[in-house]
Amino acid sequence: QSALTQPPSASGSPGQSVTISCTGTRSDVGGYSYVSWYQQHPGKAPKLMIYEVTKRPSGVPDRFSGSKSGYTASLTVSGLQAEDEAHYYCCSYAGNNNWVFGGGTKLTVL
Amino acid sequence: EVQLVESGGGLVQPGGSLRLSCAASGFTFSSSWMSWVRQAPGKGLEWVANIKEDGSEKYYVDSVKGRFTISRDNAKNSLYLQMTSLRAEDSSVYYCARDRGVAVVVVVAPTGAFDIWGRGTMVTVSS
Repeated sequence: QSALTQPPSASGSPGQSVTISCTGTRSDVGGYSYVSWYQQHPGKAPKLMIYEVTKRPSGVPDRFSGSKSGYTASLTVSGLQAEDEAHYYCCSYAGNNNWVFGGGTKLTVL
Repeated sequence: EVQLVESGGGLVQPGGSLRLSCAASGFTFSSSWMSWVRQAPGKGLEWVANIKEDGSEKYYVDSVKGRFTISRDNAKNSLYLQMTSLRAEDSSVYYCARDRGVAVVVVVAPTGAFDIWGRGTMVTVSS
């Protein structure tokens, strides 16, 4: 399985919106509705932010939203806050009982 | 408190073996698909393996098939990862994680939505 493709970095100023993309193939992102997004601060475990493309676990601010079009899933963070600065990883079902992550995107709040 | 606590990591020589453990508490472990996810230093996340609630199904990433074995003991609320023939590229922080799953008729299917994570245990493979 090849890793999903994410931009290495993204940035925005406080209050702005930023969108992080996650591109796969018809065998993973394009073929299933099992895409999730994780936030990871340095030295910490990942935290689930979005699952099944658009769903938000309880406790995750509604500033975080997910979507998918074709082979690309996206995570949008609206109203950027300083604490949103972290690495973000997408994950997709890849068929044959396998799961694949993206390479990660470092989000910087300017 | 909902918690996963990994243990068993350490320094091991190439070709060696190690057994990781993950103790679960605060949720119904026996009803949950569980996974191991690893992260090499300064790198991204990689799904390693998962196991069905009753242990009857186990799946692995290609790079560890035949070398790693995932197992669980629901009576002890514990998840394990037996690692053999270890290589330098297996050096990572290993996290155990609960898959929140989705009900499909009468069974629960994994969704890759890992909603509970441990703090991880470091495995270093080096001579």
